[in-house]
Amino acid sequence: SQKIEQNSEALNIQEGKTATLTCNYTNYSPAYLQWYRQDPGRGPVFLLLIRENEKEKRKERLKVTFDTTLKQSLFHITASQPADSATYLCASYTDKLIFGTGTRLQVFP
Amino acid sequence: GAGVSQSPSNKVTEKGKDVELRCDPISGHTALYWYRQSLGQGLEFLIYFQGNSAPDKSGLPSDRFSAERTGGSVSTLTIQRTQQEDSAVYLCASSPGLHYEQYFGPGTRLTVT
Repeated sequence: SQKIEQNSEALNIQEGKTATLTCNYTNYSPAYLQWYRQDPGRGPVFLLLIRENEKEKRKERLKVTFDTTLKQSLFHITASQPADSATYLCASYTDKLIFGTGTRLQVFP
Repeated sequence: GAGVSQSPSNKVTEKGKDVELRCDPISGHTALYWYRQSLGQGLEFLIYFQGNSAPDKSGLPSDRFSAERTGGSVSTLTIQRTQQEDSAVYLCASSPGLHYEQYFGPGTRLTVT
């Protein structure tokens, strides 16, 4: 079956460092991947979309990569800030959007 | 402009009762989605509507769940004969089309006692 997986363990990093989150998919080839941010008690907020023919996409301090050989997407936040603390979800599209369970990021001052 | 709104924000119901959850999408968005999120879990796809096409109901967990979208705008998710395992946050999202980013509402927290 089609699966999308994210590290369920929280990622704790110090302010100013680069946070890297991983999204792996198996048994299919998504046409694109999306990344969302979710704060407690709120709905997810869209951040970035990367298509299968794109290797990298950037937006301000955010960078997403898409490696179709490794079946993996990496999400980077450079110069991280405590305000970046949230859960980050990846989602992949086949015939519908499938979301991962998310990785919680905690940035400490 | 106005985002996606959902009502009620919280709903507590007794096991066996029916509930209706409402979603008002962003005006002009042709696609509308319903998801369910249990505590500490990811988003579970339930159903989506795209324009006038037949909805994709492949994620509905049982025939107790149904949804409709009237006039291509407001959508209602109905759960009949609620069970305790139906307790979750129900999220609605809309998008300009099928392959665009989704805009989520704040969710309805459903508690079945």
